[in-house]
Amino acid sequence: TQLLEQSPQFLSIQEGENLTVYCNSSSVFSSLQWYRQEPGEGPVLLVTVVTGGEVKKLKRLTFQFGDARKDSSLHITAAQPGDTGLYLCAGVAGNNRKLIWGLGTSLAVNP
Amino acid sequence: IAGITQAPTSQILAAGRRMTLRCTQDMRHNAMYWYRQDLGLGLRLIHYSNTAGTTGKGEVPDGYSVSRANTDDFPLTLASAVPSQTSVYFCASRMDRANTGELFFGEGSRLTVL
Repeated sequence: TQLLEQSPQFLSIQEGENLTVYCNSSSVFSSLQWYRQEPGEGPVLLVTVVTGGEVKKLKRLTFQFGDARKDSSLHITAAQPGDTGLYLCAGVAGNNRKLIWGLGTSLAVNP
Repeated sequence: IAGITQAPTSQILAAGRRMTLRCTQDMRHNAMYWYRQDLGLGLRLIHYSNTAGTTGKGEVPDGYSVSRANTDDFPLTLASAVPSQTSVYFCASRMDRANTGELFFGEGSRLTVL
């Protein structure tokens, strides 16, 4: 059962555009992480959010954790070709604190 | 700083052959993991180790085995490879066993089983 749904699956935009990708679940997460994976490489952590309603900024990237800790969003302002990659969310859920991965959003930013 | 080193980078293997994917980390992390990544299925945990000397089964352990003789090394063995094990394999590590810290990934090993 896929507990973390990411949308959209694919996104192709022009340089300079803004975009938002989403990570949604019916489960409550104690924390949620966002990773970026470039072709031929492993995922790299961007941010960890732990508090409902929390907003974190990383340069042009803004991450938000939902108030109920069931969802999260990543907003990129003025996207650049270097933002191209697969964006993955991963949440810690349940009494066994299992790490659940979404399938990712594949982003292509065209020059 | 090397972080996590995986070998080989890629391999083509005949079905039925035995294969070991190597993973070494130099960060003295306690926890280590093996994932496979497949299109449409995402990252799936194969096996993990919370500390040297211990291992555990993940989501898709069948056909794979691991060992953790020391802190740094966490090899993954396919005893008798099958085509469904064609995938990209990622080794990862984390300082602590709790699933809250940053996961550090290797660059992956692309395995094709014919």
